[in-house]
Amino acid sequence: EIVMTQSPATLSVSPGERATLSCRASQSVGSNLAWYQQRPGQAPRLLIYGASTRATGLPARFSGSGSGTEFTLTISSLQSEDFAVYYCQQHNNWPQTFGRGTKVEIK
Amino acid sequence: QVQLVESGGGLVKPGGSLRLSCAASGFTFSDYYMSWIRQAPGKGLEWLSYISTSSTYTHYADSVKGRFTISRDNAKNSLYLQMNSLRAEDTAVYYCARDVEGMVGPADYWGQGTLVTVSS
Repeated sequence: EIVMTQSPATLSVSPGERATLSCRASQSVGSNLAWYQQRPGQAPRLLIYGASTRATGLPARFSGSGSGTEFTLTISSLQSEDFAVYYCQQHNNWPQTFGRGTKVEIK
Repeated sequence: QVQLVESGGGLVKPGGSLRLSCAASGFTFSDYYMSWIRQAPGKGLEWLSYISTSSTYTHYADSVKGRFTISRDNAKNSLYLQMNSLRAEDTAVYYCARDVEGMVGPADYWGQGTLVTVSS
């Protein structure tokens, strides 16, 4: 199965700053990569799919890039509601697999 | 609005069985691929299973293959997960999710989850 590696495990950022999260696949997944946000006690929320397509209603401060094995989620200016855990998911091969997550915390 | 409501979770002994249900509303259920995903306490997300619109195709994670069965009833707008031979490591919150229209994989709507606890 494809292993998804997210880095860093924890990212400490001040409100208003930029956050850059990475996700690496153990083999190419093309552009079949999604990003999710999960706040404590809540279900995950789709942010990005197709590596760079924003989900409906997602603020423009979120952007995704990459293809093949290297992907990035960028939050241009962190708001208080953005402090959460972020997961990447490949849906190119069966079984689909998630990364272990990056926790974005307040610095 | 789109709603997914899971039910059927609870406490079960190792080796036991449980059937989870997911009631869908607010969209044409039969048009969408559906998935089950779980999250063990304090852990990350684990994709479990997928089913195509007319149940022709199903896929499973290796961790549940042969023990879990996904199914759907489009007439009842419902998704199911039959879980047999349960183990302690199956303890988790189980989410049903709707895949983005026309796509296999990215899930744009999730239920609130149902907790399954496997313990003697």
